[in-house]
Amino acid sequence: DAGVTQSPTHLIKTRGQQVTLRCSPKSGHDTVSWYQQALGQGPQFIFQYYEEEERQRGNFPDRFSGHQFPNYSSELNVNALLLGDSALYLCASSFYRYTEAFFGQGTRLTVV
Amino acid sequence: GNSVTQMEGPVTLSEEAFLTINCTYTATGYPSLFWYVQYPGEGLQLLLKATKADDKGSNKGFEATYRKETTSFHLEKGSVQVSDSAVYFCAQVSGNTPLVFGKGTRLSVIA
Repeated sequence: DAGVTQSPTHLIKTRGQQVTLRCSPKSGHDTVSWYQQALGQGPQFIFQYYEEEERQRGNFPDRFSGHQFPNYSSELNVNALLLGDSALYLCASSFYRYTEAFFGQGTRLTVV
Repeated sequence: GNSVTQMEGPVTLSEEAFLTINCTYTATGYPSLFWYVQYPGEGLQLLLKATKADDKGSNKGFEATYRKETTSFHLEKGSVQVSDSAVYFCAQVSGNTPLVFGKGTRLSVIA
């Protein structure tokens, strides 16, 4: 059983560009959450998708958007990249919204 | 709002020493509590969990007990190994709020 998979694993972008990160949830899971983890910090909640809708959102600007597809996979889009967006982006999946979450290995985004 | 506070690191221990990492929480309602571990360059792995008061979660020699009266979920291990070196995160989920993490505690175990 494949766990949570994220792609790509590493990415380098230029300030002002746009980026799309992808996540496939663990088999049987229907909820995907995205987190941003800056170096030396704990993960910060960006948003959560359930039934193809954004259900909750953390304190992140509208430059951060997402999507969930009928097969429960998800994308995170970040527009107008800033240097401060450099971080590890983690995808977590769960069965329903408020249960234990399983994480992917993350996408390391570097903005230069 | 809901939050998690865990002890500041880094924590450096010799192999076979006893480990305690403190974690306390604030929550409306009755949260489920978790410890996650992050090895260098990797994502987070669920280490153990407890879903109600007095539950004890355990895995790989690690234990934590859900203490409602002290709103705590301290992580313990009787004898750490070099391979336990990692960052440990305490987390909670409750009500209609998603998973909330502490800032993490870096553990280094030296031989």
